[in-house]
Amino acid sequence: DAGITQSPRYKITETGRQVTLMCHQTWSHSYMFWYRQDLGHGLRLIYYSAAADITDKGEVPDGYVVSRSKTENFPLTLESATRSQTSVYFCASSDPGHQETQYFGPGTRLLVL
Amino acid sequence: SQQGEEDPQALSIQEGENATMNCSYKTSINNLQWYRQNSGRGLVHLILIRSNEREKHSGRLRVTLDTSKKSSSLLITASRAADTASYFCATDGFGNEKLTFGTGTRLTIIP
Repeated sequence: DAGITQSPRYKITETGRQVTLMCHQTWSHSYMFWYRQDLGHGLRLIYYSAAADITDKGEVPDGYVVSRSKTENFPLTLESATRSQTSVYFCASSDPGHQETQYFGPGTRLLVL
Repeated sequence: SQQGEEDPQALSIQEGENATMNCSYKTSINNLQWYRQNSGRGLVHLILIRSNEREKHSGRLRVTLDTSKKSSSLLITASRAADTASYFCATDGFGNEKLTFGTGTRLTIIP
């Protein structure tokens, strides 16, 4: 029972490169979320998805793209990475019957040089 | 902008003592939750309290909610070294599945 996984766990990239962070959950949860965590800001919502092929912007969506072709996967793409996108990224999902509670992945630590 | 703000930002106590942290929020909510984050890990859900509830218990955790003051508190009794972590409150609005997190309280339990 893997739950929710993220890959890679650590990534170093350069400014201007495209980076994709992967998120996979095995629970068939309908909702999935992407957050970034930065010192002094807590967690901020980037994008979320209510179901396959349904996505919506969160608080800080600029510079990010998401897709959800399958219920279990929710990749996050930085189209042209910037230093300000250096952060820890968390994916989360929620159960259709208990949408208030979210289950988090272990995070991806991204460094943009 | 953050909906919730935790207070204090950091707290250090001796093992066995009780730890209290507070959360204030700005707008009406449906539910308020508390999450724990161990260093380098993802967040883990601890407890949820609904807007029509005033107090809730789960093991050594006690959560209170005062909607008139837009505030909540989390009490951890008989603290243990394993309670060392950051604690976040999170709120959601009516018909809104999105959570808004506070900036967290870093709790250190001194053995």
